[in-house]
Amino acid sequence: EVHLVESGGGLVRPGGSLRLSCAASGFTFSTYSMNWVRQAPGKGPEWISYISGSGSGSTSTILYTDSVKGRFTISRDNAKNSLFLQMNSLRDEDTAVYYCARAASLDFWGQGTLVTVSS
Amino acid sequence: EIVLTQSPATLSLSPGERATLSCRASQSVSIYLAWYQQKPGQAPRLLIYDASNRATDIPARFSGSGSGTDFTLTISTLEPEDSAVYYCQQRNAWPRAFGQGTKLEIK
Repeated sequence: EVHLVESGGGLVRPGGSLRLSCAASGFTFSTYSMNWVRQAPGKGPEWISYISGSGSGSTSTILYTDSVKGRFTISRDNAKNSLFLQMNSLRDEDTAVYYCARAASLDFWGQGTLVTVSS
Repeated sequence: EIVLTQSPATLSLSPGERATLSCRASQSVSIYLAWYQQKPGQAPRLLIYDASNRATDIPARFSGSGSGTDFTLTISTLEPEDSAVYYCQQRNAWPRAFGQGTKLEIK
């Protein structure tokens, strides 16, 4: 059974940093691309980042939505079946539940981790 | 950037009725359109991918159709547990986009 578990959320001040993790199980992690999707309170989901299955090597593909480019970094450790999102220079508008989701089709999602940016 | 517009914003129907939800794209997404169901406090769940393919374990009462810019999610016979917000999402181009959602209420 596919299982994705996010962690690392919390309360952070504007300008601060957080690192989110997503632990994957139940499938061959290295063969799947992965995504981060966030959902602000009362809003619809927003895709924010994608990483191909090969990870951070020269042949990998990494993409971001414009609003997080230069501030967020996606990475993965295939040996540990883990996905990460390093979030720097956080803003109030980054407040959301952050989900990891599998594959280009976003076929499985974790339960999410809440990030609150507030002074 | 592709924009997805869903209609109606809210739909209120009774059990046993048929629900028709629409999603219109600002430019063609070919068949690369998915539908998700989200209940309060839960993550979105994939219902339909590539316009008309049901995801694993999704009941046959859920069906999708369309291509290009106009898509439809149909729930043939509503059950009380179908009360949720439904989102469409395109994967034809980056950035991936979601619609703003249709809230389905079961009377």
